Amino acid sequence: DTEVTQTPKHLVMGMTNKKSLKCEQHMGHRAMYWYKQKAKKPPELMFVYSYEKLSINESVPSRFSPECPNSSLLNLHLHALQPEDSALYLCASSQDPGGVTEAFFGQGTRLTVV
Amino acid sequence: KNEVEQSPQNLTAQEGEFITINCSYSVGISALHWLQQHPGGGIVSLFMLSSGKKKHGRLIATINIQEKHSSLHITASHPRDSAVYICAVSRNTGNQFYFGTGTSLTVIP
Repeated sequence: DTEVTQTPKHLVMGMTNKKSLKCEQHMGHRAMYWYKQKAKKPPELMFVYSYEKLSINESVPSRFSPECPNSSLLNLHLHALQPEDSALYLCASSQDPGGVTEAFFGQGTRLTVV
Repeated sequence: KNEVEQSPQNLTAQEGEFITINCSYSVGISALHWLQQHPGGGIVSLFMLSSGKKKHGRLIATINIQEKHSSLHITASHPRDSAVYICAVSRNTGNQFYFGTGTSLTVIP
């Protein structure tokens, strides 16, 4: 199994809603990432979890809250988002953080904030 | 200045043509990755390189560490190759990938 599975594929939420994005991998990877991608732009790093601990937070607003309950699962909790947060949210994983390690990406969650 | 630069930004080719996409980087790296993204979709890893050359089907990726340059070649291009191709690098320090701005490829039948 070389997949990173993200759910849901699409999400529409209001600015007062609370929702969560989910990412799962069963490759035994110890690094997991959240990226945000706007149209026609490269992905922007949001968070990195290394061995289930948050190792990088790229100054992401607190309305985005990551969680890594176990080594296979990564969540992104969303609360009080703004319309400009609408984007494709990509999860990725790699065997080890950094170094010579291939990254595997999920299909993304297309988020629309209304 | 972005650590990873790609050229061209946009590329249109006729079916069957040989295609080259270039990537230059300005930092020390442990590996370079070529990724493919179809419109509205997720990202697929095509190659990970730390030296030399790799081939997979019609795709060939090369890297010159001394010149900090990599190329992705597509032989006998096909409309299904139409996608955005992204070059990314990983470093020994820190645990993240640095992405180029992508090359949008359209192959016309």
